[in-house]
Amino acid sequence: QVQLVQSGAEVKKPGASVKVSCKASGYTLSSYGFSWARQAPGQGLEWMGWISGYNGNTNYAQKLQGRVTMTTDTSTSTAYMELRSLRSDDTAVYYCARSGPVSSGYYLDYWGQGTLVTVSS
Amino acid sequence: DIVMTQSPDSLAVSLGERATINCKSSQSVLNNSNNKNYLAWYQQKPGQPPKLLIYWASTRESGVPDRFSGSGSGTDFTLTISSLQAEDVAVYYCQQYYSTPLFGQGTRLEI
Repeated sequence: QVQLVQSGAEVKKPGASVKVSCKASGYTLSSYGFSWARQAPGQGLEWMGWISGYNGNTNYAQKLQGRVTMTTDTSTSTAYMELRSLRSDDTAVYYCARSGPVSSGYYLDYWGQGTLVTVSS
Repeated sequence: DIVMTQSPDSLAVSLGERATINCKSSQSVLNNSNNKNYLAWYQQKPGQPPKLLIYWASTRESGVPDRFSGSGSGTDFTLTISSLQAEDVAVYYCQQYYSTPLFGQGTRLEI
């Protein structure tokens, strides 16, 4: 069965970076992509970006351009999301989700369990 | 960006009654080349990730009870729960994936 398993919670200081992993199983990575979304405490969902599992193409939310990088490692079926120059308002639960292979124009049918990233001095 | 606005923000419905949640997009999310509306609905319960309910505006995801249905086209969409069950208490989000994906602000559904 399809599963996305994310790395554990992180606590970071302002200005630091965080890298969250998402290991996929139960399907062929190259046939899909990954989207990342986040949810600040008590708030709604914010789409962060997408990466193709087929060719590594990316599409990032404009507000995060320059601070976020999404990658995949096909040898381990793992996707990564790195966010740099962390601020307190980056505190959120970060989710990976399975998406389309050639563009971000696809629904998100399987989700990881979420990774809490806390940014605090 | 195509902005999604849900209404109402919160909703209380009696068990067994119908619940209706609306979602309006700032531009059409209908792709005329394939006649598909790029609109999905998700359910999120406390402490859990979102769960896909509906995609292409009206296609129910496998395993989702048939009391959940999606309708609409262009800019106006509706999620309907025909007979509310206790386990349907959650926050519901619409999402457009026609352009840069964006979620609606969410609708909290209570008994």
